[in-house]
Amino acid sequence: EAGVVQSPRYKIIEKKQPVAFWCNPISGHNTLYWYLQNLGQGPELLIRYENEEAVDDSQLPKDRFSAERLKGVDSTLKIQPAELGDSAVYLCASSLESGTGGSSYNEQFFGPGTRLTVL
Amino acid sequence: RKEVEQDPGPFNVPEGATVAFNCTYSNSASQSFFWYRQDCRKEPKLLMSVYSSGNEDGRFTAQLNRASQYISLLIRDSKLSDSATYLCVVTRGGYQKVTFGTGTKLQVIP
Repeated sequence: EAGVVQSPRYKIIEKKQPVAFWCNPISGHNTLYWYLQNLGQGPELLIRYENEEAVDDSQLPKDRFSAERLKGVDSTLKIQPAELGDSAVYLCASSLESGTGGSSYNEQFFGPGTRLTVL
Repeated sequence: RKEVEQDPGPFNVPEGATVAFNCTYSNSASQSFFWYRQDCRKEPKLLMSVYSSGNEDGRFTAQLNRASQYISLLIRDSKLSDSATYLCVVTRGGYQKVTFGTGTKLQVIP
Protein backbone atom coordinates (compact mmCIF):
# COMPACT_ATOMS: atom_id res chain seq x y z
CA GLU A 1 0.00 0.00 0.00
CA ALA A 2 1.35 3.41 -0.95
CA GLY A 3 2.13 5.77 1.88
CA VAL A 4 1.61 9.51 2.07
CA VAL A 5 3.10 11.17 -0.98
CA GLN A 6 4.52 14.67 -0.94
CA SER A 7 6.09 16.77 -3.63
CA PRO A 8 8.44 18.36 -4.19
CA ARG A 9 10.92 16.82 -1.75
CA TYR A 10 13.14 19.88 -1.83
CA LYS A 11 12.50 23.48 -2.82
CA ILE A 12 14.82 26.47 -2.86
CA ILE A 13 13.32 29.88 -3.53
CA GLU A 14 14.15 33.51 -2.98
CA LYS A 15 12.26 35.51 -0.40
CA LYS A 16 9.03 37.12 -1.53
CA GLN A 17 8.46 34.35 -4.08
CA PRO A 18 5.41 32.07 -3.86
CA VAL A 19 5.72 28.35 -3.23
CA ALA A 20 3.28 25.44 -3.13
CA PHE A 21 3.48 21.97 -1.65
CA TRP A 22 1.32 19.02 -2.58
CA CYS A 23 0.23 16.04 -0.51
CA ASN A 24 -1.64 12.88 -1.42
CA PRO A 25 -2.74 10.98 1.69
CA ILE A 26 -3.11 7.24 2.13
CA SER A 27 -6.14 6.03 0.19
CA GLY A 28 -9.28 6.16 2.29
CA HIS A 29 -7.85 8.37 5.01
CA ASN A 30 -10.34 11.11 5.81
CA THR A 31 -8.10 13.28 7.98
CA LEU A 32 -5.15 15.23 6.65
CA TYR A 33 -2.67 17.36 8.56
CA TRP A 34 -0.03 19.87 7.52
CA TYR A 35 2.83 20.41 9.95
CA LEU A 36 5.88 22.64 10.00
CA GLN A 37 9.05 21.28 11.57
CA ASN A 38 12.11 23.37 12.34
CA LEU A 39 15.48 21.82 13.07
CA GLY A 40 15.59 20.42 16.59
CA GLN A 41 11.89 20.97 17.14
CA GLY A 42 8.82 18.79 17.01
CA PRO A 43 6.21 19.12 14.26
CA GLU A 44 3.86 22.09 14.76
CA LEU A 45 0.35 21.76 13.39
CA LEU A 46 -0.61 24.28 10.71
CA ILE A 47 -3.98 22.92 9.64
CA ARG A 48 -6.12 19.83 10.01
CA TYR A 49 -8.78 18.67 7.57
CA GLU A 50 -11.64 16.29 8.17
CA ASN A 51 -12.54 15.38 4.59
CA GLU A 52 -12.72 18.76 2.85
CA GLU A 53 -13.41 20.79 5.99
CA ALA A 54 -10.61 22.61 7.79
CA VAL A 55 -11.45 21.82 11.43
CA ASP A 56 -8.38 23.40 13.00
CA ASP A 57 -6.46 26.18 11.28
CA SER A 58 -5.78 28.23 14.36
CA GLN A 59 -1.99 27.97 13.91
CA LEU A 60 -1.98 28.81 10.20
CA PRO A 61 -0.50 32.28 9.50
CA LYS A 62 -3.34 33.34 7.26
CA ASP A 63 -1.68 36.50 6.00
CA ARG A 64 0.70 34.46 3.86
CA PHE A 65 -0.29 30.80 4.15
CA SER A 66 -3.26 29.12 2.54
CA ALA A 67 -4.35 25.53 2.09
CA GLU A 68 -7.04 23.63 0.29
CA ARG A 69 -8.40 20.13 0.08
CA LEU A 70 -11.17 20.64 -2.43
CA LYS A 71 -12.34 17.06 -2.99
CA GLY A 72 -11.35 15.72 0.40
CA VAL A 73 -8.43 13.78 -1.01
CA ASP A 74 -5.18 15.52 -1.93
CA SER A 75 -4.19 18.88 -0.55
CA THR A 76 -2.06 21.89 -1.40
CA LEU A 77 -0.32 24.24 1.01
CA LYS A 78 0.80 27.59 -0.36
CA ILE A 79 2.99 30.38 0.96
CA GLN A 80 2.85 33.78 -0.69
CA PRO A 81 5.13 35.61 -0.25
CA ALA A 82 7.76 33.42 1.39
CA GLU A 83 9.98 34.88 4.11
CA LEU A 84 13.40 33.79 5.34
CA GLY A 85 11.84 32.41 8.52
CA ASP A 86 9.67 30.00 6.51
CA SER A 87 12.68 27.77 5.86
CA ALA A 88 11.70 24.44 7.43
CA VAL A 89 10.41 20.97 6.62
CA TYR A 90 6.71 20.86 5.78
CA LEU A 91 5.20 17.53 6.72
CA CYS A 92 1.88 16.12 5.62
CA ALA A 93 0.18 13.34 7.58
CA SER A 94 -3.06 11.42 7.24
CA SER A 95 -5.18 9.21 9.42
CA LEU A 96 -8.49 7.41 9.39
CA GLU A 97 -10.57 8.94 12.11
CA SER A 98 -13.73 7.33 13.39
CA GLY A 99 -16.44 8.70 15.65
CA THR A 100 -18.36 11.95 15.56
CA GLY A 101 -16.33 15.14 15.51
CA GLY A 102 -13.10 13.22 15.35
CA SER A 103 -13.52 12.07 18.93
CA SER A 104 -11.05 9.28 18.55
CA TYR A 105 -7.38 9.51 17.67
CA ASN A 106 -5.88 7.12 15.22
CA GLU A 107 -2.27 6.76 14.15
CA GLN A 108 -1.00 9.49 11.89
CA PHE A 109 1.10 8.39 8.94
CA PHE A 110 3.57 10.98 7.77
CA GLY A 111 4.92 11.69 4.33
CA PRO A 112 8.65 12.31 3.77
CA GLY A 113 8.19 16.06 3.91
CA THR A 114 9.22 18.97 1.72
CA ARG A 115 12.40 20.74 2.78
CA LEU A 116 12.00 24.43 1.97
CA THR A 117 14.93 26.82 1.86
CA VAL A 118 14.20 30.52 1.46
CA LEU A 119 17.20 32.62 0.41
CA ARG B 1 4.88 27.41 29.35
CA LYS B 2 4.73 24.99 26.44
CA GLU B 3 1.84 22.56 26.37
CA VAL B 4 4.19 19.60 25.98
CA GLU B 5 7.78 19.66 27.21
CA GLN B 6 10.64 17.25 26.75
CA ASP B 7 14.32 17.29 27.63
CA PRO B 8 15.99 17.69 24.22
CA GLY B 9 19.04 15.67 25.28
CA PRO B 10 21.08 14.27 23.70
CA PHE B 11 21.13 11.18 25.84
CA ASN B 12 24.31 9.27 25.02
CA VAL B 13 24.12 5.72 26.37
CA PRO B 14 26.17 2.57 25.77
CA GLU B 15 24.69 -0.46 24.07
CA GLY B 16 22.79 -2.61 26.51
CA ALA B 17 21.97 0.23 28.86
CA THR B 18 18.53 1.15 30.11
CA VAL B 19 17.38 4.70 29.42
CA ALA B 20 14.23 6.59 30.33
CA PHE B 21 12.68 9.77 28.99
CA ASN B 22 9.92 11.88 30.50
CA CYS B 23 7.48 14.21 28.89
CA THR B 24 5.34 16.67 30.84
CA TYR B 25 2.07 18.19 29.66
CA SER B 26 0.36 21.28 31.03
CA ASN B 27 -3.31 20.74 30.19
CA SER B 28 -5.10 18.43 32.60
CA ALA B 29 -7.81 17.87 29.96
CA SER B 30 -5.35 15.98 27.78
CA GLN B 31 -6.83 12.67 26.76
CA SER B 32 -4.48 10.52 24.71
CA PHE B 33 -0.75 10.07 24.74
CA PHE B 34 1.74 8.58 22.33
CA TRP B 35 5.42 8.18 21.60
CA TYR B 36 6.65 8.68 18.05
CA ARG B 37 10.14 7.94 16.78
CA GLN B 38 11.90 10.11 14.21
CA ASP B 39 15.13 9.08 12.57
CA CYS B 40 17.49 11.74 11.28
CA ARG B 41 16.01 13.50 8.23
CA LYS B 42 13.07 11.10 8.16
CA GLU B 43 9.40 11.42 9.03
CA PRO B 44 7.98 10.59 12.47
CA LYS B 45 6.51 7.12 12.97
CA LEU B 46 4.31 5.86 15.77
CA LEU B 47 6.27 3.87 18.34
CA MET B 48 3.55 3.15 20.86
CA SER B 49 0.43 4.46 22.52
CA VAL B 50 0.49 5.18 26.25
CA TYR B 51 -2.33 3.73 28.31
CA SER B 52 -3.35 4.61 31.86
CA SER B 53 -2.39 1.14 33.03
CA GLY B 54 0.98 1.34 31.34
CA ASN B 55 2.00 -0.81 28.42
CA GLU B 56 4.97 -2.75 27.20
CA ASP B 57 6.17 -3.69 23.74
CA GLY B 58 9.31 -5.78 23.82
CA ARG B 59 12.10 -3.65 25.22
CA PHE B 60 9.92 -0.55 25.37
CA THR B 61 7.66 0.39 28.29
CA ALA B 62 5.41 3.44 28.38
CA GLN B 63 3.68 4.82 31.44
CA LEU B 64 1.25 7.62 32.20
CA ASN B 65 1.03 9.57 35.46
CA ARG B 66 -2.08 11.75 35.28
CA ALA B 67 -1.65 13.16 38.79
CA SER B 68 1.76 14.60 37.95
CA GLN B 69 0.91 15.10 34.27
CA TYR B 70 3.75 13.27 32.64
CA ILE B 71 4.39 10.25 30.50
CA SER B 72 7.53 8.20 30.33
CA LEU B 73 9.30 5.88 27.92
CA LEU B 74 11.74 3.25 29.15
CA ILE B 75 14.05 1.45 26.76
CA ARG B 76 15.84 -1.63 28.06
CA ASP B 77 18.90 -3.27 26.51
CA SER B 78 19.50 -0.34 24.14
CA LYS B 79 20.52 -1.18 20.58
CA LEU B 80 22.46 0.97 18.14
CA SER B 81 19.30 1.02 16.02
CA ASP B 82 17.42 2.77 18.83
CA SER B 83 19.35 5.96 18.07
CA ALA B 84 16.72 8.47 17.05
CA THR B 85 14.63 11.35 18.35
CA TYR B 86 11.66 10.34 20.47
CA LEU B 87 8.65 12.65 20.23
CA CYS B 88 5.95 12.83 22.85
CA VAL B 89 2.44 13.46 21.51
CA VAL B 90 -0.57 14.63 23.51
CA THR B 91 -4.14 15.07 22.28
CA ARG B 92 -7.20 16.77 23.74
CA GLY B 93 -10.56 18.18 22.79
CA GLY B 94 -13.43 17.13 20.56
CA TYR B 95 -11.27 17.16 17.45
CA GLN B 96 -8.37 15.66 19.34
CA LYS B 97 -6.04 18.66 19.06
CA VAL B 98 -2.61 17.17 18.58
CA THR B 99 0.53 18.63 20.14
CA PHE B 100 4.02 17.27 19.63
CA GLY B 101 6.85 17.80 22.05
CA THR B 102 10.21 19.03 20.83
CA GLY B 103 11.67 15.54 21.02
CA THR B 104 14.44 13.86 22.99
CA LYS B 105 17.48 12.75 21.06
CA LEU B 106 18.96 9.38 21.93
CA GLN B 107 22.37 8.24 20.75
CA VAL B 108 23.34 4.67 21.56
CA ILE B 109 27.09 4.20 21.36
CA PRO B 110 28.99 0.95 20.85
